[in-house]
Amino acid sequence: IAGITQAPTSQILAAGRRMTLRCTQDMRHNAMYWYRQDLGLGLRLIHYSNTAGTTGKGEVPDGYSVSRANTDDFPLTLASAVPSQTSVYFCASREQGLMNTEAFFGQGTRLTVV
Amino acid sequence: AQSVAQPEDQVNVAEGNPLTVKCTYSVSGNPYLFWYVQYPNRGLQFLLKYITGDNLVKGSYGFEAEFNKSQTSFHLKKPSALVSDSALYFCAVSPVHASGGSYIPTFGRGTSLIVHP
Repeated sequence: IAGITQAPTSQILAAGRRMTLRCTQDMRHNAMYWYRQDLGLGLRLIHYSNTAGTTGKGEVPDGYSVSRANTDDFPLTLASAVPSQTSVYFCASREQGLMNTEAFFGQGTRLTVV
Repeated sequence: AQSVAQPEDQVNVAEGNPLTVKCTYSVSGNPYLFWYVQYPNRGLQFLLKYITGDNLVKGSYGFEAEFNKSQTSFHLKKPSALVSDSALYFCAVSPVHASGGSYIPTFGRGTSLIVHP
């Protein structure tokens, strides 16, 4: 693993099903983020974590949950998927202790809810 | 609350011509400013950042950006565009000082740059 990895890269999901998007980083960054990218809306923050053991809600948290059991992993769960959750999801990380650091992004997960 | 505006959804430029992608921001206090690029079916990649000091920041692939505090702008520029520069560009801002210790970056909606041969 080099950098930040997301899985799966794409998924078609039936409405009402539960789904977990995985995100793993090997840079020991303490801050991690989940964004969704939709045409015309740019990147919108879903949830974030400033350090292992803590999480917070972003701009569009409804229908999503996260956990941060350790530094490396930050999974995003859709408890009961709905078509409006069709989107491209990006996980990102950065070194929170140094405020001027840039974010590193995964390659994205393209999710289609039907 | 902090915010970023990218007033142009799309910028078209001919190869070899200079390009500018605009960004304005709003943040309490001093900002950290970033530009990222996204190629099709890829994640965002860091291009450059402004922290402090010289208002003209140089980054990857020949890009540069000019910080203008009075106009709260951070426009991305390149003297001579390449077809391979065609991509989606995002501006982002983080506060220098944040309540609660959270320095979450806020992104603009993105600007699609199209460079014509």
